[in-house]
Amino acid sequence: SAVISQKPSRDICQRGTSLTIQCQVDSQVTMMFWYRQQPGQSLTLIATANQGSEATYESGFVIDKFPISRPNLTFSTLTVSNMSPEDSSIYLCSANPGTGAKDAFFGQGTRLTVV
Amino acid sequence: GENVEQHPSTLSVQEGDSAVIKCTYSDSASNYFPWYKQELGKRPQLIIDIRSNVGEKKDQRIAVTLNKTAKHFSLHITETQPEDSAVYFCAASINTGGFKTIFGAGTRLFVKA
Repeated sequence: SAVISQKPSRDICQRGTSLTIQCQVDSQVTMMFWYRQQPGQSLTLIATANQGSEATYESGFVIDKFPISRPNLTFSTLTVSNMSPEDSSIYLCSANPGTGAKDAFFGQGTRLTVV
Repeated sequence: GENVEQHPSTLSVQEGDSAVIKCTYSDSASNYFPWYKQELGKRPQLIIDIRSNVGEKKDQRIAVTLNKTAKHFSLHITETQPEDSAVYFCAASINTGGFKTIFGAGTRLFVKA
């Protein structure tokens, strides 16, 4: 299974600022995804990070607020822009190695608090 | 898009009893159904999965069943132990060139010793 390193593990940020979260996978993976998990809630898919093209966003999420980069098959970043307290949550990246292995592996998550 | 519903939201059982969690999905194109266990403060961990061409799968005390016609799938844990206490998520995955995974709302399982 793939090993995913995500950083930072936590941060406290001022409202109006932006935070970039990084996700590094130890092997090349076809698909990478970004999820948000609010306390006590389920995982909500933000977007699919596509290598070499723009990310595909789910309903309710937009590129201006959550710009995503995917420069190669092992790395992706998610930026939470112009933060407000409502953005306080855990953000998780996950990777899917490809059609041969269907299950997703998760990074350890980034706990973001916006004050 | 895909929608996954999960019940119950909370489940409390006595140690040694069985626990059953049920999910339904909406998109008939979904063809892979993983279950994740998430302990407090940790990332979700895959515990068992089932593909659409299989009706049942078992791994020690854990089993999953899938009814594609009804779009239902269930997790069964037998002989529960206190360390089974966690939040369990069902999910449905659709092949979009890789598998995009949509999660259910989660079931908080308490196993009382």
